[in-house]
Amino acid sequence: KQEVTQIPAALSVPEGENLVLNCSFTDSAIYNLQWFRQDPGKGLTSLLLIQSSQREQTSGRLNASLDKSSGRSTLYIAASQPGDSATYLCAVKGSGTYKYIFGTGTRLKVLA
Amino acid sequence: DAGVIQSPRHEVTEMGQEVTLRCKPISGHDYLFWYRQTMMRGLELLIYFNNNVPIDDSGMPEDRFSAKMPNASFSTLKIQPSEPRDSAVYFCASSRTGREYAEAFFGQGTRLTVV
Repeated sequence: KQEVTQIPAALSVPEGENLVLNCSFTDSAIYNLQWFRQDPGKGLTSLLLIQSSQREQTSGRLNASLDKSSGRSTLYIAASQPGDSATYLCAVKGSGTYKYIFGTGTRLKVLA
Repeated sequence: DAGVIQSPRHEVTEMGQEVTLRCKPISGHDYLFWYRQTMMRGLELLIYFNNNVPIDDSGMPEDRFSAKMPNASFSTLKIQPSEPRDSAVYFCASSRTGREYAEAFFGQGTRLTVV
């Protein structure tokens, strides 16, 4: 059974700092991994999707990497801003099942 | 495209009442997922459909929960009778067929409160 864990559970950083969020999963048989952002009381916004055959994806100040063999992904946020404050969730799509299994999330606060 | 549309956005009901949540997936998407989010358990997959057919309902908590997808553009999640422990945010998501590159898109969710 796939289990997805995110560390840390919460993070508070000053504005301008570069930061890394971690996601680990137990079953490496995945199709892709997707990073989402969730603002309080809102839905999930897709940030980046990494296919199982890829090692990283970039969008603006965001860079996500994937090491399928070790069951890890990281989301790197450069030059953090107060507007980046949100909960960040990773989800893995299992091969053969098409299920998206979510991690526990990292609650990020960027201080002005 | 308007994205995944869920209704209602908020629902407050009394224990024992029937609750129906609705979802319209993105046109052309053939996978539809229902999730429940709580503080204690995070996001849990309840059920998902492919081409309107339920594929895996192992996450449905009990017989009080049922889901249908009568056509490609509409799905419902019904709770009957509702209980206070069902209070949560329920999300619907859809994606297109495709293994590696298929991205999941989520609706805004329905916040259910059972009193």
